[in-house]
Amino acid sequence: GAGVSQSPRYKVAKRGQDVALRCDPISGHVSLFWYQQALGQGPEFLTYFQNEAQLDKSGLPSDRFFAERPEGSVSTLKIQRTQQEDSAVYLCASSIGGDYTEAFFGQGTRLTVV
Amino acid sequence: GNSVTQMEGPVTLSEEAFLTINCTYTATGYPSLFWYVQYPGEGLQLLLKATKADDKGSNKGFEATYRKETTSFHLEKGSVQVSDSAVYFCALGGKLIFGQGTELSVKP
Repeated sequence: GAGVSQSPRYKVAKRGQDVALRCDPISGHVSLFWYQQALGQGPEFLTYFQNEAQLDKSGLPSDRFFAERPEGSVSTLKIQRTQQEDSAVYLCASSIGGDYTEAFFGQGTRLTVV
Repeated sequence: GNSVTQMEGPVTLSEEAFLTINCTYTATGYPSLFWYVQYPGEGLQLLLKATKADDKGSNKGFEATYRKETTSFHLEKGSVQVSDSAVYFCALGGKLIFGQGTELSVKP
C-alpha cells in the first residue's frame, strides 16, 4: 500500500483480555517501530525491528507486551491480560533504515481497556 | 540516556505572528534531529530534519538549526497561518525519542 496501515483503528478490551494489534509497513521498509502515546503526551518508544530481527525491546513496559515480525514485513503487537493503564494510542512507523531516514507513521490503534 | 525536552503548550498566536517552539536534547554522539507535526485527526508526519551539527532543516516556511553547542533544535516560522494549528513534536534520531509535544493554535 501507499502508507503504513494499522488495524484495528479502535479496540475496546475488557480488563484481562488479550489483544493483538497489526501493522503493515510500507513495502521494502527495513525498519519498523512501535510506540505508545498516552493522551496529551509524545509517543514513547516500545520496540524496534530491522527486518525480522527485534533489535531493541527496551521500551516494552512489562512482559505482558510482546511484538513480532516473523517475515520481516507485517508486525503484530500483542498485549496479554490488558490493564486500564494500557489504554493509549499505539503507533507503528516504518523507514527504509538508518538513523537519518524519515519514519512514516500509521494512523494508530486507539486501545481502550474497560 | 537520550532525552528531548520541549516547551510546554498550548501556544496561541494570531495569524502572521512569529513562532518559536523550543527544543533541547540530551544525547550520546550526534544523532539526527527531527520535527514531526500532527494535524487534527491525522497521523504524525515529518516536517523537517537535520542530520549533523549546524545543518538547517526547512519545509513549508518552518526551519530549525541543529546547534551542538547549546544542544538545541528550536522550530521557527516567520509568519504563521491558521492552517499551521497542530501539535509539534521534536524527536531525536535512531529509535526516535520524542518530546512531549507542543500544541499550536493560530487565530485569524
